[in-house]
Amino acid sequence: AQKVTQAQTEISVVEKEDVTLDCVYETRDTTYYLFWYKQPPSGELVFLIRRNSFDEQNEISGRYSWNFQKSTSSFNFTITASQVVDSAVYFCALSEQNAGNMLTFGGGTRLMVKP
Amino acid sequence: EPEVTQTPSHQVTQMGQEVILRCVPISNHLYFYWYRQILGQKVEFLVSFYNNEISEKSEIFDDQFSVERPDGSNFTLKIRSTKLEDSAMYFCASILGTSGGQNEQFFGPGTRLTVL
Repeated sequence: AQKVTQAQTEISVVEKEDVTLDCVYETRDTTYYLFWYKQPPSGELVFLIRRNSFDEQNEISGRYSWNFQKSTSSFNFTITASQVVDSAVYFCALSEQNAGNMLTFGGGTRLMVKP
Repeated sequence: EPEVTQTPSHQVTQMGQEVILRCVPISNHLYFYWYRQILGQKVEFLVSFYNNEISEKSEIFDDQFSVERPDGSNFTLKIRSTKLEDSAMYFCASILGTSGGQNEQFFGPGTRLTVL
């Protein structure tokens, strides 16, 4: 069975600090996909990134970067030079090749960026 | 840019009443999903739907729940007799692709259901 754990329930930083959100997953499938979603206070789910299990290359997109390590089953998300607008709940999620695209979400990390 | 839409944005109902939550997935998408998020908690999978039938469902999706695609555009979630614990945000999502789990799920803005 698949499982996603986000151990940090809440993080508070001051603007311009870097922050890393942790995500650890469990799966028996050899082919799987990892996602990060942002949920701002308005409530919608905003897609940030998707990685497949065969691609361990780290990815950078502006101030966002992701570190995927199969050896530790982790898919961590770093925001560089955080801004107040980054304040949101961030969810890590997993889908398995053989589970019909359904997403299993972690519990989320609430990030508060203070000015 | 095409998007998933959901109506209503907020629904208030009395316990025991039936509610229907509506979604319009992106037009050429083939797989449809409902997820639920109880306030302050994680997003939980309810059901997936493909080719006019349920393909997967979770333990949450019991006999009180049903889904339907009544026409070529709408995808609905019905709760027959609402309970207090059904109060949550309900998200609809759709996927273009045909298999594999690699597809990005496009989420709608959600319907907040409040059961009194």
